[in-house]
Amino acid sequence: GESVGLHLPTLSVQEGDNSIINCAYSNSASDYFIWYKQESGKGPQFIIDIRSNMDKRQGQRVTVLLNKTVKHLSLQIAATQPGDSAVYFCAEGGRDDKIIFGKGTRLHILP
Amino acid sequence: GAGVSQSPSNKVTEKGKDVELRCDPISGHTALYWYRQSLGQGLEFLIYFQGNSAPDKSGLPSDRFSAERTGGSVSTLTIQRTQQEDSAVYLCASGHPGGRTEAFFGQGTRLTVV
Repeated sequence: GESVGLHLPTLSVQEGDNSIINCAYSNSASDYFIWYKQESGKGPQFIIDIRSNMDKRQGQRVTVLLNKTVKHLSLQIAATQPGDSAVYFCAEGGRDDKIIFGKGTRLHILP
Repeated sequence: GAGVSQSPSNKVTEKGKDVELRCDPISGHTALYWYRQSLGQGLEFLIYFQGNSAPDKSGLPSDRFSAERTGGSVSTLTIQRTQQEDSAVYLCASGHPGGRTEAFFGQGTRLTVV
């Protein structure tokens, strides 16, 4: 069946350094992949997405990379700030727009 | 309001009781999703409504769970004969479909079954 998983449940990064959060997926038929950020007590918030026919997309301080050969997705956050502390979820969407989430990675920013 | 609204924000219920959770999506959004999030876990897909199409109910964990969406807007998730394992945060999201959906989430309803 479909599954979206994450390599590491917790990631600790020094403030100012770059963060890289990884995700593995198994459904090669997915049309697009999405990263969400969830702060404590809040619902997930959309960060960035990427279509399956792309391998890189950049936003403000974030870059998503897609490697379809190994079914791997990553989120890079530049110059990590305390406000980046959250749980990050990767998710995948298909032509039917049903969005399936992975388990999440907690990003902890060290002062 | 401008965002997705869920009510109640918290619900404590006794085992065996029925509960109804409400979601008011963003006006004009035709896609509506329900997810369940247990403590420290990911988001478990429950059900997806898309316009007038038949909902995708493939994620509902048992026949005690049901959901409806009236008039293509407000949605209600009903859990009958609640069990302790139903305790979780129930999240609703809405969006514009069309090959790539940016789903906007509500704050969730924290359900505690005692």
